This record gives sequence, structure tokens and C-alpha cells, in this order.
Amino acid sequence: GAVVSQHPSRVICKSGTSVKIECRSLDFQATTMFWYRQFPKKSLMLMATSNEGSKATYEQGVEKDKFLINHASLTLSTLTVTSAHPEDSSFYICSASPSGRTYYEQYFGPGTRLTVT
Amino acid sequence: AQSVAQPEDQVNVAEGNPLTVKCTYSVSGNPYLFWYVQYPNRGLQFLLKYITGDNLVKGSYGFEAEFNKSQTSFHLKKPSALVSDSALYFCAVRPYNNNDMRFGAGTRLTVKP
Repeated sequence: GAVVSQHPSRVICKSGTSVKIECRSLDFQATTMFWYRQFPKKSLMLMATSNEGSKATYEQGVEKDKFLINHASLTLSTLTVTSAHPEDSSFYICSASPSGRTYYEQYFGPGTRLTVT
Repeated sequence: AQSVAQPEDQVNVAEGNPLTVKCTYSVSGNPYLFWYVQYPNRGLQFLLKYITGDNLVKGSYGFEAEFNKSQTSFHLKKPSALVSDSALYFCAVRPYNNNDMRFGAGTRLTVKP
């Protein structure tokens, strides 16, 4: 149980285009999902906390107009990188915390490798 | 705000030897502590957690970690390393009252045959 999927696993796009990444909790409902960014050989940087039915909470320094987050249902959150530039190339990882019962750990998706050319 | 320090970027051990990956933390109140492992181009896999109870926590793949409140540490250990344990290991902490999890910088473990 507690599986989180991400789609796509890998995407290459041209500079100036937008890319949408989906994060789904497959066998549980998640009121809260998290989006992280990971640079090569670096740790995870929390970008934003996504709450179902409300606006995401962004970490300091993360442009909310650049990284649009939508959490429209209890099993799906999307991250859209708008007007992508090569510096947006990174590994994006989502995680989800099950709602309803007391869970402690976050369950992570497999990640999405974004390359902007 | 909470934070995690993993003082070693790299840990090298020989197969069959014990391994330790260090982690210290800072958080207000009681900590929830976690270890995750990441293989190349993959997401994070949960290894173990400390919430409350026994200070020695046993997790997946023979790993264990000891919570030491006085030293604010949560070092990851394994009695006998395997080559397949080679990966990137992350320690994480969050406060007991919210989901704001912070990760250490990661430690790359290399186990040589």
C-alpha cells in the first residue's frame, strides 16, 4: 500500500513552453502533498505544500507564478512549470501524506526528470 | 525551523563491515525522525522512522538507527554492509505537530566488494 505515482517520469521540452507534472496517490487519499526539487547530487528542496481544495503554500524564494500547483482532488496534485527555461531543468519529486488516520511519514513518488533545451 | 545535518558527504566501507551514516537534527519539541534511501534517478524509499518508544529503531533491509536525545542524533547503522546498499541516504526531521519535513544534504554510501 501507500503508492505514489508521477507522470511523466521523464520530459524534455523547449525553452518557453510549459510542462505539467502529475502526482497521484494510488491507494490512499492525501489531503496534503508536497513538491520537492532535487539538483544533481544534492538534497531535496521543498518547493511547496499542496492542500486539497485550497491554495498551495510556497517556500521562500519559489515563484508561485512560475510553478503552478493545483490539488483538485484527494488523489491528484499537479505541478506546472510555466515558460520553462534551462535553469528549471531538475528532478522533481512529489510526496503525499495520507489523510484521515495518523500517519507520520511521507510517501514519495519516483520523480520526474525535466530537461529544458 | 527544524534542520538536519549529515556531516559526511561520502562514506566508504568494505562489504561485510559495519556501516554508520551520521545525522544530527534541530527541532522544537519532540522530533519525528526518518531515514530514506535513494537509488539513481529514483524517488526516495522509506527505511525507518522514530516517533516514540524505544530509542533503537529497526527498519528495512537490516538497517537500524538509534535516537539519542542528549546528542540530538539519529545515526543509521547496519552490522554488515552489502554492495547493494550503495546509494544516497537522507535523514529527515519534522516537528510532531505538522508535516513540514526537512532533509539533510544526503550521504553517499559506497560499499566495495
